Amino acid sequence: AQSVAQPEDQVNVAEGNPLTVKCTYSVSGNPYLFWYVQYPNRGLQFLLKYITGDNLVKGSYGFEAEFNKSQTSFHLKKPSALVSDSALYFCAVRGLYNNNDMRFGAGTRLTVKP
Amino acid sequence: DGGITQSPKYLFRKEGQNVTLSCEQNLNHDAMYWYRQDPGQGLRLIYYSQIVNDFQKGDIAEGYSVSREKKESFPLTVTSAQKNPTAFYLCASSTLGEAFFGQGTRLTVV
Repeated sequence: AQSVAQPEDQVNVAEGNPLTVKCTYSVSGNPYLFWYVQYPNRGLQFLLKYITGDNLVKGSYGFEAEFNKSQTSFHLKKPSALVSDSALYFCAVRGLYNNNDMRFGAGTRLTVKP
Repeated sequence: DGGITQSPKYLFRKEGQNVTLSCEQNLNHDAMYWYRQDPGQGLRLIYYSQIVNDFQKGDIAEGYSVSREKKESFPLTVTSAQKNPTAFYLCASSTLGEAFFGQGTRLTVV
């Protein structure tokens, strides 16, 4: 079965600095990869996805993610962090052969300090 | 507006009672999911359904039941067999791409 690991529970960055939230995945065959953001007591909001094509994917709110097949990683990045980016971020994977079974990582709490 | 609606937003249950959480979508999505979220544990899959009248257990299905009689609806029942039901429950739906989430139901056992 597919799985996702987010190795950092917490990431702290200063406003204006670049940020990276890490994600590695395990899946049979080609992966469908996703990033979501969650604000307190709310559902998850979709940020971006990788299915095929360019390894650098651009998404909402200035976020982007880089797919690296050899390292089985899909790290979320943003060139300049905002205080309003502070939230809980989830990486998710869906497998090719069971593409309706989506699994999530444990989440990474991003705190951007002014 | 298109989207997923979960109700109620807050739910309180006495020990030994069954409760049902509602999830409705008007996105015409075939697949629907239920996840449980506990602090520090991310989202864990309870059940998912790829089509009407069919559903599969996820990682933590014990103590839960679902039905999928209509494409638009995927209610989750938390039974008395679920020993630690206090959590935030999220419903989602999808086609072949990203999933769309409801705003969640926070269930508390009192």
